[in-house]
Amino acid sequence: QSVLTQPPSASGTPGQRVTISCSGSNSNIGNNYVYWYQQLPGTAPKLLIYRNYQRPSGVPDRFSGSKSGTSASLAISGLRSEDEADYYCAAWDNSLSGHVIFGGGTKLTVL
Amino acid sequence: QVQLQESGPGLVKPSQTLSLTCTVSGGSISNGGYYWSWIRQPAGKGLEWIGRIYTSGSTHYSPSLKSRVTISVVTSKNQFSLKLTSVTAADTAVYYCAREFQLLSHFDYWGQGTLVTVSS
Repeated sequence: QSVLTQPPSASGTPGQRVTISCSGSNSNIGNNYVYWYQQLPGTAPKLLIYRNYQRPSGVPDRFSGSKSGTSASLAISGLRSEDEADYYCAAWDNSLSGHVIFGGGTKLTVL
Repeated sequence: QVQLQESGPGLVKPSQTLSLTCTVSGGSISNGGYYWSWIRQPAGKGLEWIGRIYTSGSTHYSPSLKSRVTISVVTSKNQFSLKLTSVTAADTAVYYCAREFQLLSHFDYWGQGTLVTVSS
């Protein structure tokens, strides 16, 4: 069971806006940055969002991150078929000798 | 462009030691103040951080694996390695090496991953 809680699945139709939540605690999300990774089928995870809302170069602005208290969200607007993937949130946990924890992942299906 | 590539046996017998190497290209492993991590993912499951190393040799390990893990670095070869002892079927997973941008930061570059199966 992951320390960061994500819904196991989410779905939307092309063009829609979808949000994926990530819930933690004061020892992780509440006092540290949140990161989001996208994992396309059969590939390695790819950094999508860092430091709560920053996008690496090359990541479309359709992807946005936010954080409030001990929860965070990833929003994907203008949903496209190629967005179908697993999405993981991550944060460092102060109670675990400073190591990263990942959410259980959310499988996004584009209907 | 930095690239990471995992290598090592794809099959390990129970109770033996899993050994993997990550070769970094496109930049020196010693430059930039980066940290180098191992992360694994059992089939159909989520990601688990195993541990990290800095080029000074300083290491941090996941508390749940600490007693069985050793990560080392060979800067002259631009490589870092993972050893996991006393493996069981529960250690069967895809193992990724990744670059950590700064200590306690994000993983900005990942290897493609290598499947290690623990079976007799």
